[in-house]
Amino acid sequence: SYDLTQPPSVSVSPGQTASITCSGDDLDRKYVSWYQQRPGQSPSLLIYRDTKRPSGVPERFSGSNAGNTATLTITGAQAVDEADYYCQAWDSSTVFGGGTKLTVL
Amino acid sequence: QVQMQESGPGLVRPSETLSLTCNVSGYSIINGYFWGWVRQPPGKGLEWIGCKYHRGDTYLNPSLKGRVTVSLDTSTNHFSLKLSSLTAADTAVYYCARCFLGISVSGSRDPNFDYWGQGTLVTVSS
Repeated sequence: SYDLTQPPSVSVSPGQTASITCSGDDLDRKYVSWYQQRPGQSPSLLIYRDTKRPSGVPERFSGSNAGNTATLTITGAQAVDEADYYCQAWDSSTVFGGGTKLTVL
Repeated sequence: QVQMQESGPGLVRPSETLSLTCNVSGYSIINGYFWGWVRQPPGKGLEWIGCKYHRGDTYLNPSLKGRVTVSLDTSTNHFSLKLSSLTAADTAVYYCARCFLGISVSGSRDPNFDYWGQGTLVTVSS
């Protein structure tokens, strides 16, 4: 089975840039999506097709995918961005990464 | 605006079959997209269960295959999940979602789930 590996936690100071990575074999040959899940809420789509933002997602969220690693970047992190983040890709079936808890402090 | 709402029992006994329904409003499921389910055990990450297209194409998590059925009812615009042979490990919040499974240039699928229900907690216990 295909595995996507994320760091369990990332911390960032308000206003600084946070990067959350997602690693998998030949990941740059797949499209990666990212989801944000705030405490007690359903996941919401943040980035799809590596870099695209759905309507309504703030511009401070961006994505990239190169080599074996996809990266979600939050430029100018805010307290409201404190949440769990999950990457997703397809390899015979869809797979989610284990999730990364972002702390803004 | 697409809205999705799960319904079903909150408590199911081990070895029994779980049945959940997702009611969709604001979009007709016959108009396209796959429709599916994702679950999340308490305090853990997301696990994809499966997605189904109204014309029949179905993708299921290999680890759950044999226990999972996803069905669509286009007449009432809802879809359902059945998960059999339940154990405590199936205790989770179950989400329904609209699944986009486009085809990438490499021929692989391009997955993203753009609308989600609020989730329903299912506990498997005697």
